[in-house]
Amino acid sequence: EIVLTQSPGTLSLSPGERATLSCRASQSVSSSYLAWYQQKPGQAPRLLIYGASSRATGIPDRFSGSGSGTDFTLTISSLQPEDFATYYCQQSYITPRTFGQGTKVEIK
Amino acid sequence: EVQLVESGGGLVQPGGSLRLSCAASGFTFSRYWMNWVRQAPGKGLEWVANIKQDGTEKYYIDSVRGRFTISRDNAKNSLYLQMNSLRAEDRAVYYCARDDASGSYAMDVWGQGTTVTVSS
Repeated sequence: EIVLTQSPGTLSLSPGERATLSCRASQSVSSSYLAWYQQKPGQAPRLLIYGASSRATGIPDRFSGSGSGTDFTLTISSLQPEDFATYYCQQSYITPRTFGQGTKVEIK
Repeated sequence: EVQLVESGGGLVQPGGSLRLSCAASGFTFSRYWMNWVRQAPGKGLEWVANIKQDGTEKYYIDSVRGRFTISRDNAKNSLYLQMNSLRAEDRAVYYCARDDASGSYAMDVWGQGTTVTVSS
């Protein structure tokens, strides 16, 4: 099983600031099978990024993904009020599919 | 509108059974891999199982294998999760989710979730 470790656990930032979220895998993951999701309280997750760097339909370009191998990054270039949420990385390279434990982005 | 709607959650005693359903609409259901993902109260997301378009391949996490069964009825545009021998640790919101069509196996459409509570 591939373990995904996200850091930091919580990120306290102000609107307009840049957010950098990390996802580290316990073994190499093909970039094609690394995704990022956003989840707000009481809501279902929403796909943001697939294939490590491709934005899903309707996702603003302030969200970007990068990385390869065991290290992946989600960057939000300028935080908007609606971006404060929890973010999860997820791999579909090897079954079982696994998620990271999440990074909560909160308002400072 | 592309939509997934789960149902069938509820309160069940330990050792009991429950069958979750997920109704799909707005897309050609038979063309997609489908998944169940759960989230325990206050915890992160956990993938549970998935099933191929024609139902010939099914995969599970170890903790539910032998107790849960994923299935689908393409004629009814529906996905199911039969849960037997339920344990307290199965308590969670259960989401159905569709794999995207890009080949990346990301989950691009999610239902709103159905809550399963296992308690005596």
